[in-house]
Amino acid sequence: GQQLNQSPQSMFIQEGEDVSMNCTSSSIFNTWLWYKQEPGEGPVLLIALYKAGELTSNGRLTAQFGITRKDSFLNISASIPSDVGIYFCAGLDSNYQLIWGAGTKLIIKP
Amino acid sequence: DTGVSQDPRHKITKRGQNVTFRCDPISEHNRLYWYRQTLGQGPEFLTYFQNEAQLEKSRLLSDRFSAERPKGSFSTLEIQRTEQGDSAMYLCASSPAGLAPLHFGNGTRLTVT
Repeated sequence: GQQLNQSPQSMFIQEGEDVSMNCTSSSIFNTWLWYKQEPGEGPVLLIALYKAGELTSNGRLTAQFGITRKDSFLNISASIPSDVGIYFCAGLDSNYQLIWGAGTKLIIKP
Repeated sequence: DTGVSQDPRHKITKRGQNVTFRCDPISEHNRLYWYRQTLGQGPEFLTYFQNEAQLEKSRLLSDRFSAERPKGSFSTLEIQRTEQGDSAMYLCASSPAGLAPLHFGNGTRLTVT
């Protein structure tokens, strides 16, 4: 079945550092999504990508839809304490189903 | 707030009891999804509706689980004869037509004792 490989699994960084995480897939997706989830809450949509090669920013967040449509990355610049949480990538397939990565847990050292 | 709303936020029940959760999607969204999430994992798809029609069900959705969306607006997810393995966060999401992102509610945390 379809799988998304998301890495890294977790990141320990200093406040102010830039963060980069990525997802790769064995299948092509037409839409890539990045979500953030904090404890006890549902995933919150950060960025949606619809076209191969598309580069989209949302404040300090930047995400790109890979040219092959099989990968995507998310960068966070100048991290701040409220960036902590679990970041999930997800690909939306042609059956309108979301295929999820396993998540990247971001921990910021004070 | 016009986001996806779920009720209750938390539910503690004894094994063998039935529970029902409710989801109110974003009003103009015709697709509604149910997911289950356990600690440290991503959400797992359970089922989805387009308007009132239930179009797909995961193999995770055993015969103890039933979901309805009778008027194409809110949806309910019922679990009968709950088991300890049903303990999880149950998430609802909605989206408009097309390849549009899903918007999630804050979930119902179920604990089966």
